[in-house]
Amino acid sequence: SQKIEQNSEALNIQEGKTATLTCNYTNYSPAYLQWYRQDPGRGPVFLLLIRENEKEKRKERLKVTFDTTLKQSLFHITASQPADSATYLCASRSGTYKYIFGTGTRLKVLA
Amino acid sequence: GAVVSQHPSWVICKSGTSVKIECRSLDFQATTMFWYRQFPKQSLMLMATSNEGSKATYEQGVEKDKFLINHASLTLSTLTVTSAHPEDSSFYICSASVSGNSYEQYFGPGTRLTVT
Repeated sequence: SQKIEQNSEALNIQEGKTATLTCNYTNYSPAYLQWYRQDPGRGPVFLLLIRENEKEKRKERLKVTFDTTLKQSLFHITASQPADSATYLCASRSGTYKYIFGTGTRLKVLA
Repeated sequence: GAVVSQHPSWVICKSGTSVKIECRSLDFQATTMFWYRQFPKQSLMLMATSNEGSKATYEQGVEKDKFLINHASLTLSTLTVTSAHPEDSSFYICSASVSGNSYEQYFGPGTRLTVT
């Protein structure tokens, strides 16, 4: 079945460092991948979308890459801050046009 | 722009009763709204896709007679959990797609349902 996996359930990094989160997909070829931020008890907030023909997308301190060979997207937060602490979700539409989400990576930026 | 609200933000009900959750797009028209359920430390699971003026499409394993969805207008969709049981306790989140833009979803803040 079509799946999105985020291998790290939790990631702790020091303030100022770059956080790198991984998203892998299996059994389908998404036309795009999305990244969301979710704070506890809140709905997800859209951050970035990257299409399969784009290698990299940037928005302020955020950068997303899409490697169709590795079937993987990487999400980077540079110069991380404690306020970046949240759960980050990777998502896409499957071949049946149903949205599927990864389980998320809980990022904690330590001051 | 693109704000989605949900009401209530949390609700506690007794087993066997029904609960209605509202999802509104405040500053845009949403031809499609989605309803998700999220258990603690788990991902969002799509329950159903709702298009204005037509019947909702439910995902496999989701009982349409238990989770009634109505998308009466371009700005309002409701989810009614009928005859709720403790196992229905979860975080319910709606999202809406902007008309003509199928890529982005705007999520509501979620509704925490606890069935006692």
